[in-house]
Order: sequence, then structure tokens, then C-alpha cells
Amino acid sequence: AQTVTQSQPEMSVQEAETVTLSCTYDTSESNYYLFWYKQPPSRQMILVIRQEAYKQQNATENRFSVNFQKAAKSFSLKISDSQLGDTAMYFCAFMSGETSGSRLTFGEGTQLTVNP
Amino acid sequence: AAGVIQSPRHLIKEKRETATLKCYPISRHDTVYWYQQGPGQDPQFLISFYEKMQSDKGSIPDRFSAQQFSDYHSELNMSSLELGDSALYFCASSFGQGRELFFGEGSRLTVL
Repeated sequence: AQTVTQSQPEMSVQEAETVTLSCTYDTSESNYYLFWYKQPPSRQMILVIRQEAYKQQNATENRFSVNFQKAAKSFSLKISDSQLGDTAMYFCAFMSGETSGSRLTFGEGTQLTVNP
Repeated sequence: AAGVIQSPRHLIKEKRETATLKCYPISRHDTVYWYQQGPGQDPQFLISFYEKMQSDKGSIPDRFSAQQFSDYHSELNMSSLELGDSALYFCASSFGQGRELFFGEGSRLTVL
């Protein structure tokens, strides 16, 4: 079974600064997908970014980018120019690419607080 | 476009009662997922359906059952409710392998 580990339960950053959230995972598969979701106080789950394991290029979405290190099984999220609205719980997640309808397995989450 | 619709949004039940949650996925999405999220916890996978067939099963109690209907909506049935079943239940849908899950706003179940 795949596992996802987020070793930082809480982090804080000043507005406009950059912060990196860590995530490691364990799998024996070669074909898989990785995601970062955010959950603000509203509890809505919102996709931040997605990475395909077979792509070496790191995914980028505006102020959000990842550092995907496949050999190290590491998938960190960098948030640039942090905004107050980025305050949320961030979950790293893994999805197998072996079969359709596979589950999304989440890490424990990192609570990010952006301070004014 | 409409997102994933869950109903009811809030539900209060007594111990040993039964509850049913409904989920209407995004049009043309082929996979539906159910997750349970307790306070301060990450979402735990319960079960998924791909093209109306169960595709993956997680830590879903035997007291719970789910199905996906011909119109692609899904229902999660929970019987003999326990206090520990109090949680936020998410339904999500996706289209295609490895694609992102789109989550509903969740159904908050409180068991008294």
C-alpha cells in the first residue's frame, strides 16, 4: 500500500514571502500521479497542482510550483508571494496509475498560516 | 459548469439510526469517490466506483454500503450509527485515469 508523509504539521510565513511544504511518499509503482490539495477554513477541497510521475518537468501553476524528485520519492510544494488567502490546510496526495478508479491517498496535512 | 453536488449538507442522527448521503457527480465524469474526514484528520478513502462498478475499496465499515446508479449519482448508506461516525463526508468525481478529483462541499454528519 502506498503511504504519503507530511512531516510539517504547521508552518507560517509572512505575506509576500516564499514557503515550501514537504511531502514524501512510498510506492513500488512506476506509473502514478501526485497532487497538492488545499482545504481552507470552509473545508472545501481545492486542487492546487498535479504532477504526472513520468514527466520530469516540474508542474507550475501561477505562484505554486513543485519540486518532484522521483528517485527520492519527494514532492514538495513551493508557494511564492504568499497571500493571506493561502492560509489553509495543505494535503499532499498520491494516486496509482495502474488501474482506473484508483483511490487518492492523502498525507496528514500541513496547516499553513500566512501572516500580514 | 455545475460542480459535485452533495446532499444533505448537514445531518444529525441518534446512535443506532441510519443515514443516507447522496452525491451527484459532474456531468460525464466516470468515477465517483467517497471520503470520510474526522476533525483534524486527513480524508480517509471509503470506496470508489468506475462506470458504476465498484473500483476500489478502503476502510469502509461493514455497516456502510454504497452504490452508483444508472444516472451516475451515488449514495452512501450508513446503518447502526456510532458516535465515531460523526465526520465530514466528501464525495468527489473525476474523468479519466490519473485526473484530478473534484470534491463536493461535503455532508457533515453528527451522531448524538
